[in-house]
Amino acid sequence: DTEVTQTPKHLVMGMTNKKSLKCEQHMGHRAMYWYKQKAKKPPELMFVYSYEKLSINESVPSRFSPECPNSSLLNLHLHALQPEDSALYLCASSQDWLGYGYTFGSGTRLTVV
Amino acid sequence: AQKVTQAQTEISVVEKEDVTLDCVYETRDTTYYLFWYKQPPSGELVFLIRRNSFDEQNEISGRYSWNFQKSTSSFNFTITASQVVDSAVYFCALSGTGANSKLTFGKGITLSVRP
Repeated sequence: DTEVTQTPKHLVMGMTNKKSLKCEQHMGHRAMYWYKQKAKKPPELMFVYSYEKLSINESVPSRFSPECPNSSLLNLHLHALQPEDSALYLCASSQDWLGYGYTFGSGTRLTVV
Repeated sequence: AQKVTQAQTEISVVEKEDVTLDCVYETRDTTYYLFWYKQPPSGELVFLIRRNSFDEQNEISGRYSWNFQKSTSSFNFTITASQVVDSAVYFCALSGTGANSKLTFGKGITLSVRP
């Protein structure tokens, strides 16, 4: 299995909703990442987990809450989002800090209404 | 600080033309990694190549080739005999090691290949 699987592929949520994005990999990668990508822009790093511990938070608002329940799973909990948070959310994983095997999922396209 | 510059923003070619996408990077790390990704209209990021800073050998994979030159801090990507399916946004990216292993992306180049 050489994939990073993200669910759901599309999500529409209201500003008062709570939802979660899920990311899963079974490649034994020990680093996992959340990126946010707005239209016509490059991906921007949000969070990095290394060995299931949060190692980088790029000053992301608290309405985004990451969670890494185990080495294969990464969640992004969403609460009280704003319309400007609408974007493609990409999960990635890599073998370790050296970036070996950096692999992206296909993303969740989020629309906040 | 790391930086990736893709000076070209949009390129349009006719099918079967060759096209080169430029990438210039800045880093203070001695060990770093360079990547190219393709993002078709469907949205997923497709990995094309990863090159480490100690390996300056050029690489060819089918119609794709990459030219890495540390002396000019460039990592250019050439598509030979372009096809309509090559139409996408192409990102060059840079990562260091350790705490710098996050990917720094260039702004991307939108390539349109016309039949």
